[in-house]
Amino acid sequence: KQEVTQIPAALSVPEGENLVLNCSFTDSAIYNLQWFRQDPGKGLTSLLLIQSSQREQTSGRLNASLDKSSGRSTLYIAASQPGDSATYLCAALPSGGYQKVTFGIGTKLQVIP
Amino acid sequence: KAGVTQTPRYLIKTRGQQVTLSCSPISGHRSVSWYQQTPGQGLQFLFEYFSETQRNKGNFPGRFSGRQFSNSRSEMNVSTLELGDSALYLCASSPEFSTGHYGYTFGSGTRLTVV
Repeated sequence: KQEVTQIPAALSVPEGENLVLNCSFTDSAIYNLQWFRQDPGKGLTSLLLIQSSQREQTSGRLNASLDKSSGRSTLYIAASQPGDSATYLCAALPSGGYQKVTFGIGTKLQVIP
Repeated sequence: KAGVTQTPRYLIKTRGQQVTLSCSPISGHRSVSWYQQTPGQGLQFLFEYFSETQRNKGNFPGRFSGRQFSNSRSEMNVSTLELGDSALYLCASSPEFSTGHYGYTFGSGTRLTVV
């Protein structure tokens, strides 16, 4: 059974700092891994999707990497801004047929002005 | 292009009642997945429908059920509501199964409060 862990559970950084959020998964046989952000009481907004054949994806100040062999993905946020404050979740889809997506609990990020 | 639409946005129900939530996926998306989100448990998978067929089901009691129509719109129903059913219910759609090759797009959710 796939398990997804995100550490730390919460993170507080000053504005402008570069930061890394971690996502670990137990089963390396994944089809893809997707990163989301969630604002309080809202739905999830997709940030980046990495296919199993890819090593990383970039969008603006965000860069996500995937290392299946070590069961890890990282989300790098450059030059953080107060608007980046949200909860960040990762989700892994196992490969092989109709599998269930497993989500991490998330990392709650606060960027202090 | 319209996103994933969930209705209603908020609901207050009494214990023992039943409730129906609706999700309209992005046009052309055939997969709809439902999740329950609570502060302590995170996102818990309820079920996934693909082309009107339930493809996967999470570990929820039979009080939770769903269906998908030919236009890919989906509904989930919770009967005999309990206080513990209070949660944010999220719907996600994708062109293929689960997140597939294109990933999930989520709706804004329905906030259900059971009193």
